Amino acid sequence: DQQVKQNSPSLSVQEGRISILNCDYTNSMFDYFLWYKKYPAEGPTFLISISSIKDKNEDGRFTVFLNKSAKHLSLHIVPSQPGDSAVYFCAASGITSGTYKYIFGTGTRLKVLA
Amino acid sequence: DSGVTQTPKHLITATGQRVTLRCSPRSGDLSVYWYQQSLDQGLQFLIQYYNGEERAKGNILERFSAQQFPDLHSELNLSSLELGDSALYFCASSVDDRFHEQYFGPGTRLTVT
Repeated sequence: DQQVKQNSPSLSVQEGRISILNCDYTNSMFDYFLWYKKYPAEGPTFLISISSIKDKNEDGRFTVFLNKSAKHLSLHIVPSQPGDSAVYFCAASGITSGTYKYIFGTGTRLKVLA
Repeated sequence: DSGVTQTPKHLITATGQRVTLRCSPRSGDLSVYWYQQSLDQGLQFLIQYYNGEERAKGNILERFSAQQFPDLHSELNLSSLELGDSALYFCASSVDDRFHEQYFGPGTRLTVT
């Protein structure tokens, strides 16, 4: 039961254009969402997060949008740069019955073409 | 450099054996998290410790156990190893006990032959 899904395993974008990475979740008790970036042979690096009380959070070139009714979040990277080429994971957390759940998606490999 | 260290970097062992992976969190972080990433899989949350106590459990097998010591470093023990346990094991740390921003170590690659 994959509660957090990233349906696009890969995405290619031209340098300077917008990259949009998508993530869907099924459990409405998730109340905090995060995006991580991962380069080969390194651990994931935190990028940006959003609480369920917001629908948008921005940090430089990175913006995360949350649509709670659709249980969907997206990460926008504008403008995309070759150094953004990496695997991007979304993650969701929340408490149910007093127990934390913390679920990662399977990742989307972004390739930014120069 | 995230400030989280993991040892060893690589580990090769045989089925049925037991191994211990070690993690030192960032200075000041009280929470340690362990994750498993198998081939072509996302990150699977295994377990969280906060200030020495177990705080949350994910998909951790009974053959696996962990602890966090008074100096806040953590160890993940994997026993009766099977071929399917071959994976990258990441440790992460954070300041508090919420599943918010975490800082990941470089991982330990475990190969079971």
